[in-house]
Amino acid sequence: GQQLNQSPQSMFIQEGEDVSMNCTSSSIFNTWLWYKQDPGEGPVLLIALYKAGELTSNGRLTAQFGITRKDSFLNISASIPSDVGIYFCAGLNYGGSQGNLIFGKGTKLSVKP
Amino acid sequence: NAGVTQTPKFRVLKTGQSMTLLCAQDMNHEYMYWYRQDPGMGLRLIHYSVGEGTTAKGEVPDGYNVSRLKKQNFLLGLESAAPSQTSVYFCASTSRQGHGYTFGSGTRLTVV
Repeated sequence: GQQLNQSPQSMFIQEGEDVSMNCTSSSIFNTWLWYKQDPGEGPVLLIALYKAGELTSNGRLTAQFGITRKDSFLNISASIPSDVGIYFCAGLNYGGSQGNLIFGKGTKLSVKP
Repeated sequence: NAGVTQTPKFRVLKTGQSMTLLCAQDMNHEYMYWYRQDPGMGLRLIHYSVGEGTTAKGEVPDGYNVSRLKKQNFLLGLESAAPSQTSVYFCASTSRQGHGYTFGSGTRLTVV
C-alpha cells in the first residue's frame, strides 16, 4: 500500500531555533495535511494543503505542497516550549480507499528552554 | 463542546476478554474512522465508515469488528482480546473526503 516517509524521526532543538521536517511518498496525493499530537491527546490539524505548489502559513508554521505532489514540508519558526509534541504528515488520494488518510510515522520535537 | 468523544479513556483487559470502544461525534459528520497508534508505527487504520449503516476494513482489521447503527456513533469491538492489541485507539470523523479529520483524545488499552 501507499506509504509516507517522514523525517526526521526526532529533533532536539533550542528555544528560538527554526525547525523543518518533511514527508515524501512514491505516490501522488491530492491533499497534504499536517497534524500535531500533544502527549495523551489526539492529533490536531495544523495546516491543510489542497493544490500542488501551495504554500500556507498558520502563525509561526508554514507548510508547502510539493510541485510533484509527492512531498510536503513543514517549517516552524522561532520555536517555543509549547511546540513540543509529535508532528504527523498525512496524505489523501481521492482515488484510494474511499479517500482515507495515509499517515507518516511522525517527527518527535523536543525544545530546550 | 463540539467534537469527537471516546469512552473509556483507559482500560485493562485480560487475554480473551471482550470489550467495546465507543466513539461519538456531534458534528453531523458522514465519515468516521478507527485508528490504532503504536510506538514508531504512526496511525494505522483499522476500520472506517462512509455513512450510517456502512463499514469497511482498513489496513489492520483483524481481531476487530465495528458497527455504525447511528450516524453519530461508531463502535469498535474486540471479541477476544490479545496482548498484540495493546495500543492507543483513536477515533476520527470528517464531513467529506479531502478535509481534515477531527480526532478524539484516545483510549489507552492494555491487554494482559
